[in-house]
Amino acid sequence: DTVLTQSPALAVSLGQRVTISCRASKSVSTYMHWYQQKSGQQPKLLIYSASNLESGVPSRFSGSGSGTDFTLTIDPVEADDIANYYCQQSNELPLTFGSGTKLEIK
Amino acid sequence: EVQLVESGGGLVQPGRSLKLSCAASGFTFSNYDMAWVRQAPTKGLEWVASISTGGGNTYYRDSVKGRFTISRDNAKSTLYLQMDSLRSEDTATYYCARGGAWGQGASVTVSS
Repeated sequence: DTVLTQSPALAVSLGQRVTISCRASKSVSTYMHWYQQKSGQQPKLLIYSASNLESGVPSRFSGSGSGTDFTLTIDPVEADDIANYYCQQSNELPLTFGSGTKLEIK
Repeated sequence: EVQLVESGGGLVQPGRSLKLSCAASGFTFSNYDMAWVRQAPTKGLEWVASISTGGGNTYYRDSVKGRFTISRDNAKSTLYLQMDSLRSEDTATYYCARGGAWGQGASVTVSS
């Protein structure tokens, strides 16, 4: 299985830039996607195929990477961005998710 | 607007069965592969099963193989998950997903 590793939590000040990382245990090409999950809600797709912004998602969100190293950037961070962020690979089955990064405000 | 609405969740005893349904609307259901993803309380996301557009190909995570069955009825635009021999570790919110679109989830609690 492809294991995805994320930092458990990040603290950032409002208006600043934050980068959330995801490292895959093997190459997933660009079959990496990012989700935002707010408390009590279903996950919401932000970025698909590493760098493509999902329709309706603010341009403050961007993604980059290929192979094994990927990043989700939020710039600038707003209060509404407080959530858990998950990366997910679809290069091979089983589909796997990272353990999530909790974004907190300083 | 794409909508996925799960139903059929509830409290069930270990070893018993439950069947989840996911009613899809706002898109041509038969054109999309579909999946079930679950999330145990306070835990992360875990893929459970996927099914191809016509239903001919199905895929499962190892821990549910032989116990869960994913299926679909394209005429009814509905996805199913038959869950047999349920275990306490199957307790989770189960989401129906089509790529970037997810339902609100159905809660399944396995407990005596």
